[in-house]
Amino acid sequence: KAGVTQTPRYLIKTRGQQVTLSCSPISGHRSVSWYQQTPGQGLQFLFEYFSETQRNKGNFPGRFSGRQFSNSRSEMNVSTLELGDSALYLCASSSMEGVTYEQYFGPGTRLTVT
Amino acid sequence: AQKVTQAQTEISVVEKEDVTLDCVYETRDTTYYLFWYKQPPSGELVFLIRRNSFDEQNEISGRYSWNFQKSTSSFNFTITASQVVDSAVYFCALSGRDSNYQLIWGAGTKLIIKP
Repeated sequence: KAGVTQTPRYLIKTRGQQVTLSCSPISGHRSVSWYQQTPGQGLQFLFEYFSETQRNKGNFPGRFSGRQFSNSRSEMNVSTLELGDSALYLCASSSMEGVTYEQYFGPGTRLTVT
Repeated sequence: AQKVTQAQTEISVVEKEDVTLDCVYETRDTTYYLFWYKQPPSGELVFLIRRNSFDEQNEISGRYSWNFQKSTSSFNFTITASQVVDSAVYFCALSGRDSNYQLIWGAGTKLIIKP
């Protein structure tokens, strides 16, 4: 079974721009969660989607948004990029709704904002 | 609010030594879930174990073992006979109603196994 895939793997953007990251979950998994990882703040939960609906959202500004498609693939969008948005963005999938179950993570997208 | 503390920032041991990674948590919930994940240099987090608050049985999986003690709010992870491939950052995480069922992560412990 193919694992969780994330594209692109690396991205360099300029302040003020917007960016879209993509995540394809393991086949059959309907839950996709997004996390931000930075050296300063560590791992932080962004949001979770299950069956195309946002089920939970972390404490991030509205510039961070996401969506999930009918095939469970998910995208995350960050608008008006700030330097502090530079991070590793990780996507995880699960067969069950919620993050209280085993999650399978992708390799991440390394976003650098200059 | 829920909190996870991994006080050991970095641990370095020689191969074949046993090593224990500490995890202390805080929660007001009676029902909660604890996790350990491994993050090798490739960056991809790998699930190791999930434990709910009603199951205090210790678990062993090969060279890995976990000690869950509610009395001390700890969920420690031991690697027996460590190997170089165990080198990674290990994260402890907690989820429950108190965190609106979001995963609260510890800061991670970087484990270096020297040959």
